[in-house]
Amino acid sequence: QKEVEQNSGPLSVPEGAIASLNCTYSDRGSQSFFWYRQYSGKSPELIMFIYSNGDKEDGRFTAQLNKASQYVSLLIRDSQPSDSATYLCACVEGRGSTLGRLYFGRGTQLTVWP
Amino acid sequence: EADIYQTPRYLVIGTGKKITLECSQTMGHDKMYWYQQDPGMELHLIHYSYGVNSTEKGDLSSESTVSRIRTEHFPLTLESARPSHTSQYLCASSDTGLGYTFGSGTRLTVV
Repeated sequence: QKEVEQNSGPLSVPEGAIASLNCTYSDRGSQSFFWYRQYSGKSPELIMFIYSNGDKEDGRFTAQLNKASQYVSLLIRDSQPSDSATYLCACVEGRGSTLGRLYFGRGTQLTVWP
Repeated sequence: EADIYQTPRYLVIGTGKKITLECSQTMGHDKMYWYQQDPGMELHLIHYSYGVNSTEKGDLSSESTVSRIRTEHFPLTLESARPSHTSQYLCASSDTGLGYTFGSGTRLTVV
C-alpha cells in the first residue's frame, strides 16, 4: 500500500511569513509529485508539480524534492490570508497496473492570519 | 474554464432512491477517477477507469457502481441511497504524468 504522509496541522502563520508544508512518501518508484490546494467546500486545484530533485519556483510557491529521502515540501513566501486552505501532497504510482494513479496525503490545513 | 464537469452540484434525495452522478470531460483523457470526501477529511478513491469498458474498485469499499462506455463520460450510480452515502463526490481525469484535473464535485445529502 503506497503511503503519503503529511502533518495534518493546523499550521498557523502570520501574513507575510513563509509557510512550510512537508510530505514524505513510501513508493521509491514515484517520479512525479504534486501539490494541490483545496479551499473549504471546493475541489482540489493543482498549484505545483515537480519531477526532478531540487527546487522549483513559481511565483510565491517553491516546491522541493529529495528522492533519496523520499521527501517533498512546499514553501509559500509572503503568505496571504487568501492562502488559507488545505494543501494536499500527491505522488504518482511508479509502476504496475495502476501506473499514473495519484496517491494523496491527508492534507495540511494552513491558516494565514492578518 | 473547467474541462471536467459534474452534475448536479448539489443533490438532496430520500432514502432508497436510485441516483446517478454525472461526470464528463472534454480533454480526451483515458484515466478517470471518483473520490469520496467528507468535510474536512481526506480523499478516498472509490472507483477508477483506464479507458472505455475498463473500471476498477478503489481503496474504499463503496456500494456505488460506475460505467465507462465513452471516453468522455464516467457516471457513478447508487442503486439505493442511504444516509451513510451523504458526502461530497469528486470526479477527476488525468493524462499520464500530468496530475489530475478535478471537477467541481457533487454534494450529496440523503435524508
